[in-house]
This record gives sequence, structure tokens and C-alpha cells, in this order.
Amino acid sequence: AQSVTQLDSQVPVFEEAPVELRCNYSSSVSVYLFWYVQYPNQGLQLLLKYLSGSTLVKGINGFEAEFNKSQTSFHLRKPSVHISDTAEYFCAVSEHKDFNKFYFGSGTKLNVKP
Amino acid sequence: DVKVTQSSRYLVKRTGEKVFLECVQDMDHENMFWYRQDPGLGLRLIYFSYDVKMKEKGDIPEGYSVSREKKERFSLILESASTNQTSMYLCASSPGTVPSGANVLTFGAGSRLTVL
Repeated sequence: AQSVTQLDSQVPVFEEAPVELRCNYSSSVSVYLFWYVQYPNQGLQLLLKYLSGSTLVKGINGFEAEFNKSQTSFHLRKPSVHISDTAEYFCAVSEHKDFNKFYFGSGTKLNVKP
Repeated sequence: DVKVTQSSRYLVKRTGEKVFLECVQDMDHENMFWYRQDPGLGLRLIYFSYDVKMKEKGDIPEGYSVSREKKERFSLILESASTNQTSMYLCASSPGTVPSGANVLTFGAGSRLTVL
């Protein structure tokens, strides 16, 4: 089974500053990787996904993430955040051999300040 | 786009009551899931269904049951609600067998349950 670690439970940042939200997973088996975003009082929506190919993945709202197999990481980045990016972000992993099972991190709350 | 609809956004129930949480998806997805979300714990899988009338226990099935009589509908049942089941409940669906080999979850808006 996978273990997904999001070390930062909360990340405060000023508007227009860059941000990185970290995600590490435990096993180096072949995986699919996802970032989801949850706005207040809403469900989760897909931000971006890594299935195969280029290790740099671009998603919605200017976010991107880089898959690093040797470090088993999938960190999320945005070069300039907006107030509207304030939300909770979840990293998720599924394995190629059992792609119906998803492992979620505990979430990182991004708080963008004016 | 796939839409996953959870019928109740907010519920308040009393200890011992039977609670039904309903979830409907409209894109003919094979798989449906119920997750529980609590602060600092992320999402924990309660039950998973990969076909009509089929179900598998997730990580925290105790105190819950599920029903999938039709492909589009997946119900979560709390037979006798307790205060420690106060939580946000998220339903999700995914296609099942996908040529690329990856299923992507699509979530409903969530049902926030308070048990008094």
C-alpha cells in the first residue's frame, strides 16, 4: 500500500508570490499521480494528473507539477498566486497494478493573503 | 462533463437515527466510492463499488453499509448514527477500465453530516 505525505498542513503566502506544495509517496512502483483542489464547502476537483511521458505536467489555473521518480515526489507549483487560489490541495496516488485504488495525502491549506 | 450529485449538502441527525446519503452520477461510470473527510486526516475510503450489487470494504467500513441497485446510484447508510460519524462525506465515481490505464475520480460536492 502507498503512503502519501503532504508535509505542510498550511502554507501562507502573499498574492503574486510563487508557491510550492510538496507531495511525496512511499513506493517506487509504477504510479499515476494527481492533484485535486477543494474550495470551501465544495467537493474535490481535478487540478492536474501525471499518467506517463513528460515529467512536467500543466494543469488548470496556471498550476504545474513535476514528477520525480527517484525522489518519489510530485510537487505542485504556481509562479504567481491569486487570492482565488485559497483552497485546500490534495495529492493522490494510484498504482498501475491496481488503478482503482487511490491513496490521498492529508491535504495542504493554501492561504493567499493580499 | 461527468456530474456527481449528492442529494443532501447538510444534514443534522440525532444519535441512533438511520441515515441515508444518496449519490448519483450521470456518465455511466463503472466505479463509485464513498469517502469520509476529516481535518488533518485527508480522505479515507469507506466503501467502493465496481458494479451493480458489488461492493468492497475500504479502510473504515465499520458502522456503515452501502447499496448499489442501479449503476448510476450509490447509497451510504449509517444504520445507527453516532456522534463520531459527524463528518464530511464525499461521493466519487470513475470510469473503470480505461485504455490509458488510469482512472480519474470525479467528486460530488459533499454532504456535511452532524450527529447530535
